[in-house]
Amino acid sequence: AQSVAQPEDQVNVAEGNPLTVKCTYSVSGNPYLFWYVQYPNRGLQFLLKYITGDNLVKGSYGFEAEFNKSQTSFHLKKPSALVSDSALYFCAVRSNTNAGKSTFGDGTTLTVKP
Amino acid sequence: NAGVTQTPKFRVLKTGQSMTLLCAQDMNHEYMYWYRQDPGMGLRLIHYSVGEGTTAKGEVPDGYNVSRLKKQNFLLGLESAAPSQTSVYFCASSYSTTTGELFFGEGSRLTVL
Repeated sequence: AQSVAQPEDQVNVAEGNPLTVKCTYSVSGNPYLFWYVQYPNRGLQFLLKYITGDNLVKGSYGFEAEFNKSQTSFHLKKPSALVSDSALYFCAVRSNTNAGKSTFGDGTTLTVKP
Repeated sequence: NAGVTQTPKFRVLKTGQSMTLLCAQDMNHEYMYWYRQDPGMGLRLIHYSVGEGTTAKGEVPDGYNVSRLKKQNFLLGLESAAPSQTSVYFCASSYSTTTGELFFGEGSRLTVL
């Protein structure tokens, strides 16, 4: 079985400060990790993914994430938060041993205050 | 590009009624998925399809049926709706079962009274 944990329901940061949204995972086989963002009353949008190679991956809107195999983590980061980054963020995992099914974390609400 | 389109966007049902949610994608993706989203519970997989004519059960399949008669369409049916099926339903598609990201529709909000 595979699982994803997002230990923080809510993250609050001030505009201009760095932000981190945490994600840990458990999976059999090779992990493929994804971050998605959801704005109110909208579908999820893809931000970035780790498949293989460089542990630091860069994605849309200035976001990046670091894959850490030993800690089974894939934390989402941004050097300088914007008010418009306020949204619900989901971490998800797929593997080569689970027929392509994605497992999502429960989500973290990011609030960036001016 | 339209991407993934879901209809209807909103629906209110009475307990015991039936309905079908339609998902259509124009990206020629093989793989399609139906999720439900409930507060604080993330997304849970209901059913999925790895190609035209094939479907499989996900994490929470009870009370739902699906069909994939055409590659671009994935239908989710509720034969006898229950209040526990009040949720927001999302359809997604992908070009890969592993490395490909999911492309989501805008969601269908279903309320069962």
